[in-house]
Amino acid sequence: NAGVTQTPKFQVLKTGQSMTLQCAQDMNHEYMSWYRQDPGMGLRLIHYSVGAGITDQGEVPNGYNVSRSTTEDFPLRLLSAAPSQTSVYFCASSFGDGRADTQYFGPGTRLTVL
Amino acid sequence: DAKTTQPPSMDCAEGRAANLPCNHSTISGNEYVYWYRQIHSQGPQYIIHGLKNNETNEMASLIITEDRKSSTLILPHATLRDTAVYYCIVRVGEQAGTALIFGKGTTLSVSS
Repeated sequence: NAGVTQTPKFQVLKTGQSMTLQCAQDMNHEYMSWYRQDPGMGLRLIHYSVGAGITDQGEVPNGYNVSRSTTEDFPLRLLSAAPSQTSVYFCASSFGDGRADTQYFGPGTRLTVL
Repeated sequence: DAKTTQPPSMDCAEGRAANLPCNHSTISGNEYVYWYRQIHSQGPQYIIHGLKNNETNEMASLIITEDRKSSTLILPHATLRDTAVYYCIVRVGEQAGTALIFGKGTTLSVSS
């Protein structure tokens, strides 16, 4: 299994540009989520999905959109990039069925907005 | 989720056991203790979790006190690659929409 994969690894955007961060997992996990991590801070939940066709907002959803058309993929869209969105973005997945299982994280996308 | 308290940093010599403590005095009966780590610039990595009993896997051992108010993560033979920030998290089993709250964790530095 490749686990959780994210692309791109690095991205530089100009203010106002839009882009999509890709996330895919091959573990047949129902639950997927997006976090952002700012320097010196913990991870904050942006959006999550409990299965294909179902998404919901996390702690810091403003400026981001998500969709979940398949179990495997969970892309994160930045609608109009702002410097405040400069961060490292992590995608995670798990079975999410209430068991005490674990979350698996991707390697991250390092985004800089100028 | 209950809060946890961890020392900000610890040092360990390569090859020795690293014992990382965590206090979680307000843990509820249905909350698990999870340990994750984050090696510089990488995504967080699951290490181990437990409810009441001590647990061991290929990476580490988790010792939970009888009153469940504290626990210790043990890396039996630390290597340089174990240098990372270690997070102790207590939470109910996976709940959709609830984020893992990582806190500040313990920065473990393993030196030769």
